[in-house]
Amino acid sequence: KQEVTQIPAALSVPEGENLVLNCSFTDSAIYNLQWFRQDPGKGLTSLLLIQSSQREQTSGRLNASLDKSSGRSTLYIAASQPGDSATYLCAVKAARETSGSRLTFGEGTQLTVNP
Amino acid sequence: NAGVTQTPKFQVLKTGQSMTLQCAQDMNHEYMSWYRQDPGMGLRLIHYSVGAGITDQGEVPNGYNVSRSTTEDFPLRLLSAAPSQTSVYFCASSYLQGNTEAFFGQGTRLTVV
Repeated sequence: KQEVTQIPAALSVPEGENLVLNCSFTDSAIYNLQWFRQDPGKGLTSLLLIQSSQREQTSGRLNASLDKSSGRSTLYIAASQPGDSATYLCAVKAARETSGSRLTFGEGTQLTVNP
Repeated sequence: NAGVTQTPKFQVLKTGQSMTLQCAQDMNHEYMSWYRQDPGMGLRLIHYSVGAGITDQGEVPNGYNVSRSTTEDFPLRLLSAAPSQTSVYFCASSYLQGNTEAFFGQGTRLTVV
């Protein structure tokens, strides 16, 4: 059974810092990995999707990397801003999944960026 | 673009009551799913569907029913609400094939008293 772990569970940084969020998964046979952002009381917003054949994806100040063989992904946020404060979730779609597009989620990292 | 729309946003039920959480998507996605999100447990899959007329159980299906009569709609029914079903419920959709992202609704916050 696929298990996804995110470290740290919570992170507080001053504005302007570069930071890294970590995601690890137990089964390296994945189809893709997706990073989401969740604001309090809101739904999930997709940030980046990395295909299993890719090493990284970039969107603005966000860069996500994937090392499938070691079961790890990182989300790098450059020059953090208070508006980046949210919970960040990673989710993997297993390659062996025969029942559609099921995602397995980590519990998330709660990020606070202080002005 | 509407994306994935869930209703209601908030609901309070008494133990034993039944209700239906609505989910609709306008992206012609084949795959739709329901998750519940609880503190310390992350998002867990309740039920999913790979197309109209096809549904299957996820990780935590007990106490919930689903149906998929159209591509657009995927309602989740609570048959007899229990306090353990107090949670935030999310509906998601995506294409079945290919490396495409999943889209989520804004969630329904359900409290069972």
